[in-house]
Amino acid sequence: NAGVTQTPKFQVLKTGQSMTLQCAQDMNHNSMYWYRQDPGMGLRLIYYSASEGTTDKGEVPNGYNVSRLNKREFSLRLESAAPSQTSVYFCASSSGGGGNQPQHFGDGTRLSIL
Amino acid sequence: ILNVEQSPQSLHVQEGDSTNFTCSFPSSNFYALHWYRWETAKSPEALFVMTLNGDEKKKGRISATLNTKEGYSYLYIKGSQPEDSATYLCASRNAGGTSYGKLTFGQGTILTVHP
Repeated sequence: NAGVTQTPKFQVLKTGQSMTLQCAQDMNHNSMYWYRQDPGMGLRLIYYSASEGTTDKGEVPNGYNVSRLNKREFSLRLESAAPSQTSVYFCASSSGGGGNQPQHFGDGTRLSIL
Repeated sequence: ILNVEQSPQSLHVQEGDSTNFTCSFPSSNFYALHWYRWETAKSPEALFVMTLNGDEKKKGRISATLNTKEGYSYLYIKGSQPEDSATYLCASRNAGGTSYGKLTFGQGTILTVHP
């Protein structure tokens, strides 16, 4: 049971470098989400995609871009990494985008920006 | 931005104790309240999604109640076991405007159950 798969699991970047975090789900879910988790703070929504072909900003979108490549895949891109983007990133998916369906999370990507 | 608060921040109990913790959320335009269990080195796992005032949900020894009028939910664990040790997250979705599909998470309650 793969569920939600995130790659890579760990990454170290230098300030100014770019990278893309990949996320794929095999549950045929319509909606996908990217969160970041920082010490002392709850999960904060970066971007989400209610359905294939749509994306929308969450609470903390600055410095990030996303692509909903197809129904399965939702990638998060850091164009010019900054130390403030050091965090653990979680991808999630849900069958519906209305908020009354549980979200299924990947194992996270731990990203350090030096 | 919604304000979802959880209390206490952390809790230590002995094996066999029953315990409960609280999630407070804005009652206006309430749509859904989620509870997740998050074990160390794993990903959050959904426990309950609750939408109706007075709703009660149960999964094994864990149960939850919902009061949408006053904006709180309680999570109860009966007869805590060491394997219940985890962070318990709640998240609220309120309707209207641009909030479609967006959950706002609380900071979590860290539960440690001592053998």
